[in-house]
Amino acid sequence: GAVVSQHPSRVICKSGTSVKIECRSLDFQATTMFWYRQFPKQSLMLMATSNEGSKATYEQGVEKDKFLINHASLTLSTLTVTSAHPEDSSFYICSAREADTQYFGPGTRLTVL
Amino acid sequence: TQLLEQSPQFLSIQEGENLTVYCNSSSVFSSLQWYRQEPGEGPVLLVTVVTGGEVKKLKRLTFQFGDARKDSSLHITAAQTGDTGLYLCAGAQGTGFQKLVFGTGTRLLVSP
Repeated sequence: GAVVSQHPSRVICKSGTSVKIECRSLDFQATTMFWYRQFPKQSLMLMATSNEGSKATYEQGVEKDKFLINHASLTLSTLTVTSAHPEDSSFYICSAREADTQYFGPGTRLTVL
Repeated sequence: TQLLEQSPQFLSIQEGENLTVYCNSSSVFSSLQWYRQEPGEGPVLLVTVVTGGEVKKLKRLTFQFGDARKDSSLHITAAQTGDTGLYLCAGAQGTGFQKLVFGTGTRLLVSP
């Protein structure tokens, strides 16, 4: 099946700094990618839909100025957590859509101290 | 608001037992997917069901989509320790970008 990678897999940062997470589709092109957030022992919550060449669509309650999404190419979407705070600590997962299937990345564990 | 409720939330069984996980909603979905997720990893797709009443089998796993396309079930026969993980159903609504709404999750622990 299709492969999606994320980088970094883990990141620890200080409160107030910004962190960028990359999501790449390795063997296919994806006009649409999705960003999810998962808290411990909970399910995935969709944060935003990333569309190549246009603005991302954010879910209700997700601050677009805090979670900046850039989908500059058909194989790369980035999520930047700006001015991170401890409550932003979570597991961030991206997915890339090919036809009617979403393929998920391995996730990025963000810890904000 | 979580549109998809899974039950049970947690299941601990012995190897060799059978189990069923349910995924229920009041909403209609154009398709429904089941995923398994290991700790610290992304979800891995197990199956996609599209037609109401559809039944799909994947070795010891049997998936069923409800006639009204509002619910689904996952049945595992003769569970193995390797089946341990978080099982997630996810429904797609409408057309276009096919956003997925994830279920609340069922954590399965299979002990030897």
